[in-house]
Amino acid sequence: DGGITQSPKYLFRKEGQNVTLSCEQNLNHDAMYWYRQDPGQGLRLIYYSQIVNDFQKGDIAEGYSVSREKKESFPLTVTSAQKNPTAFYLCASSIAAVEETQYFGPGTRLLVL
Amino acid sequence: RKEVEQDPGPFNVPEGATVAFNCTYSNSASQSFFWYRQDCRKEPKLLMSVYSSGNEDGRFTAQLNRASQYISLLIRDSKLSDSATYLCVVPTGGGNKLTFGTGTQLKVEL
Repeated sequence: DGGITQSPKYLFRKEGQNVTLSCEQNLNHDAMYWYRQDPGQGLRLIYYSQIVNDFQKGDIAEGYSVSREKKESFPLTVTSAQKNPTAFYLCASSIAAVEETQYFGPGTRLLVL
Repeated sequence: RKEVEQDPGPFNVPEGATVAFNCTYSNSASQSFFWYRQDCRKEPKLLMSVYSSGNEDGRFTAQLNRASQYISLLIRDSKLSDSATYLCVVPTGGGNKLTFGTGTQLKVEL
């Protein structure tokens, strides 16, 4: 089955710790995205990548980092610089980056201990 | 005007009712638009794409008014299973990214 997988489903972070969220897709999509969703709010774009080895900051990139070494994978690291990391993190992909439908993974809930 | 703006609701309607949501957008250059459905604590899923004046899929109809810069979603014969949050989505940033509205919550009741 083709799709997008995210792991883990729940993640706990201690103060000062970096954590990495996994996102993998087997849809052969060029573009991938990371969003953050807070309760009662819309999705906010953190980073996106239109092609392997290239990525751009979204609207709220501070405190986050990404890499795109393979077409299938777009991991997100939440660094200790992100002071309010508790949120629902969603990864998405699309065939291309321009006005294309995005398909989402099941998400990762990050909680701070 | 915000890039994408939706009435948050909730819209509480009886089963079988017809309900409509509006969404306004500010980027007049956008060519395609989307409605997503998001269930509680789940990921958004594509409901409909809108590329011209409108689109219809069964009980769901999306209409686009470019002059007034709004998109509407009409749901006929509402089912209990239609209860969800509906997200209006508009391309921004030169089309390289999508901006999501905060969503309109629908509750269909017996």
